Amino acid sequence: AQTVTQSQPEMSVQEAETVTLSCTYDTSESDYYLFWYKQPPSRQMILVIRQEAYKQQNATENRFSVNFQKAAKSFSLKISDSQLGDAAMYFCAYCTTNAGKSTFGDGTTLTVKP
Amino acid sequence: DVKVTQSSRYLVKRTGEKVFLECVQDMDHENMFWYRQDPGLGLRLIYFSYDVKMKEKGDIPEGYSVSREKKERFSLILESASTNQTSMYLCASSLQGANGYTFGSGTRLTVV
Repeated sequence: AQTVTQSQPEMSVQEAETVTLSCTYDTSESDYYLFWYKQPPSRQMILVIRQEAYKQQNATENRFSVNFQKAAKSFSLKISDSQLGDAAMYFCAYCTTNAGKSTFGDGTTLTVKP
Repeated sequence: DVKVTQSSRYLVKRTGEKVFLECVQDMDHENMFWYRQDPGLGLRLIYFSYDVKMKEKGDIPEGYSVSREKKERFSLILESASTNQTSMYLCASSLQGANGYTFGSGTRLTVV
């Protein structure tokens, strides 16, 4: 069974600085997708960024980027120029190509300090 | 704006009651999912469905059932609610795995 591990239950960052959230996963598949989701306090979970395993290039969405290391099974999220609105719980998720269901990590709570 | 709508944001039920959690999506997505979210445990998959009238067990199906009579609606049923089913329940849908999920706002269920 696939597992997703987020080793940092909590992280904090100063506003305008950069923070990296860690995620590792375990799989025997070669094709799959990886995601980062954001869940602000008392608000809906939204998709932040996605990465296809067959692509070597790291995905980027504005201030959010990933460092995808396929051999190491590592998928970290970097948030640049952190803003107060980035404060949330972040979940890393894994999905195989032949099944729509995703496996999630336990989440990392990010605090942004003004 | 595409949406996944969960009928209740907060729900309080008594032990032994039959509970229905409703989820509706307007994106014509094939896939729908029910997760529960508990502190320190992340999201755990209860049931999912790839098509109308089809259902698959997730990782923690015990004590739950589901119904998908129409493509847009996926219901989670707690046959006899227990206190250990107190949790946040999240519904999600997707066109295919590669696209990721669109989530509903969640239903916080308390069983007393």
